[in-house]
Amino acid sequence: DAKTTQPTSMDCAEGRAANLPCNHSTISGNEYVYWYRQIHSQGPQYIIHGLKNNETNEMASLIITEDRKSSTLILPHATLRDTAVYYCIVRVAYNTDKLIFGTGTRLQVFP
Amino acid sequence: DVKVTQSSRYLVKRTGEKVFLECVQDMDHENMFWYRQDPGLGLRLIYFSYDVKMKEKGDIPEGYSVSREKKERFSLILESASTNQTSMYLCASSSPGPPRDEQYFGPGTRLTVT
Repeated sequence: DAKTTQPTSMDCAEGRAANLPCNHSTISGNEYVYWYRQIHSQGPQYIIHGLKNNETNEMASLIITEDRKSSTLILPHATLRDTAVYYCIVRVAYNTDKLIFGTGTRLQVFP
Repeated sequence: DVKVTQSSRYLVKRTGEKVFLECVQDMDHENMFWYRQDPGLGLRLIYFSYDVKMKEKGDIPEGYSVSREKKERFSLILESASTNQTSMYLCASSSPGPPRDEQYFGPGTRLTVT
């Protein structure tokens, strides 16, 4: 079973920041938070991952609360191409273990 | 640009046929995975491989087998296709190690068994 809880769907205006929340209250000390997204009719795409510090890359920022029980993925300036299902996953990093995808959040970016 | 390719985007097969789904990655990754994706069930792992000729069962291996004769190629075999194997099949590869640790997915094969 997925160890994360996400809202089913969200809307965001183009050009605004999209903030996608994720609850992972049972996360273990050695588990990281990963985010993937899946655009319609494509395979999932990695976005970012982190352990406890905030992380930023060219695609997004990841904010993890101090107690690590929740996190937020931030797309700073959403575009129509960011419309996708976003998955929050917790797992031990750097091993062969499978990814457990929950139902994710369907983000709709509108003009 | 890193790439995972799958042999077909769409495939239609008849019940009882033997079906081969091919996946090739050009990143020299050790690990390769086969998932299937169904509405309401998300992605589920069928098999994975962490080295040539090595394979491990995932969560739903029944009715499937795999082959990994070369590092870059991982094949999923449906020995006798059935209608409940109609699904989207996704291949992925990874090479665990800092800093990124991501699985790269192919575009998927939508298989219909009639």
